[in-house]
Amino acid sequence: SQTIHQWPATLVQPVGSPLSLECTVEGTSNPNLYWYRQAAGRGLQLLFYSVGIGQISSEVPQNLSASRPQDRQFILSSKKLLLSDSGFYLCAWSHTGNEQFFGPGTRLTVL
Amino acid sequence: QQQVKQSPQSLIVQKGGISIINCAYENTAFDYFPWYQQFPGKGPALLIAIRPDVSEKKEGRFTISFNKSAKQFSLHIMDSQPGDSATYFCAASRHNYGQNFVFGPGTRLSVLP
Repeated sequence: SQTIHQWPATLVQPVGSPLSLECTVEGTSNPNLYWYRQAAGRGLQLLFYSVGIGQISSEVPQNLSASRPQDRQFILSSKKLLLSDSGFYLCAWSHTGNEQFFGPGTRLTVL
Repeated sequence: QQQVKQSPQSLIVQKGGISIINCAYENTAFDYFPWYQQFPGKGPALLIAIRPDVSEKKEGRFTISFNKSAKQFSLHIMDSQPGDSATYFCAASRHNYGQNFVFGPGTRLSVLP
């Protein structure tokens, strides 16, 4: 069966510090991978998606970036965090045209 | 055309009542309509989904009704329970079209004991 992992589960970082969030998927190959951000009590904002290694599409211009160094690994990064980067970050995977499966999320607080 | 509208934003239902959440879409190319349930601090989990070749799908207490001509679909939760209290997201996607997966803004459901 497929599983998706995210770490860390929670993170508190100062403004201006770098960020690296990791997502890995097990039990499937060639997944589409997604990063979402969810502000408190709000909907899902798609940040990045990837259909293959090294293929990243950005949905929202911002100070975040994403990379996919391996088929089942997706990384969300920032060189300098802003207060507005606080939120709940969700990684998801799918095969094209079918349901997305979400990870447990990372709660990021930028102080 | 990519938007999925969802209502109500929040919903309060008594235990045993029926919860109804509605969604509407514009893009007629969408052909897959899932509903997700999210508890606080957790990732969304797939609850039930429907394709446009059927007008209704039922799984336990959860039913999706789909109206292709109106481009609307809804989630009905029968005999609502306090454990159903969560945020519900509808979504729409297009088969074999990369990442084209659009979520509604969510409905926060509270079921009172």
